[in-house]
Amino acid sequence: DAKTTQPTSMDCAEGRAANLPCNHSTISGNEYVYWYRQIHSQGPQYIIHGLKNNETNEMASLIITEDRKSSTLILPHATLRDTAVYYCIVRAGGANSKLTFGKGITLSVRP
Amino acid sequence: EAQVTQNPRYLITVTGKKLTVTCSQNMNHEYMSWYRQDPGLGLRQIYYSMNVEVTDKGDVPEGYKVSRKEKRNFPLILESPSPNQTSLYFCASSSRGGNTEAFFGQGTRLTVV
Repeated sequence: DAKTTQPTSMDCAEGRAANLPCNHSTISGNEYVYWYRQIHSQGPQYIIHGLKNNETNEMASLIITEDRKSSTLILPHATLRDTAVYYCIVRAGGANSKLTFGKGITLSVRP
Repeated sequence: EAQVTQNPRYLITVTGKKLTVTCSQNMNHEYMSWYRQDPGLGLRQIYYSMNVEVTDKGDVPEGYKVSRKEKRNFPLILESPSPNQTSLYFCASSSRGGNTEAFFGQGTRLTVV
């Protein structure tokens, strides 16, 4: 699976949009971009995933560049409860649907 | 409600005393896996199972066993726990393939003294 690079941390003000970047320059054509988050030491929570088109759900939007080498997770109106570690993961569709977690980015939402 | 249930949530045990951490999912998922999370090392896969009676090693399988006798259950067995297995453990399940969402349990914090 391709590796991802994320900043270590970022913060944003409550109510503002949080834009979390991710680089995955070695991504292959059949690999998806996934985002999970982990609040404190709870189990990771799925947010969104995509292949090449932009995706939106009730939690977030995922913007994938045309060359697929980077993506941005957008939380449109961040709240204090969005403070968490966010993991960008590139995942192939092979037999072992393993999620390879990196260090993620720590998002701190300030009041 | 779709969920992955792990038990126990917290466990303190002594070196060498066999233990089992249970994992159950109610989504009829084929794929289940176990991860451990350690400070500075992130989440690492221990074992996975692609279906009943089909299991395979992940990245850090030493000291662990698993079984998959039923689709919904995937217990993690530590035959002779050691202090270096002190960790936070997560079970996950999903449908097979790369285009599916994985659901995680709430975690089991294990301390081996």
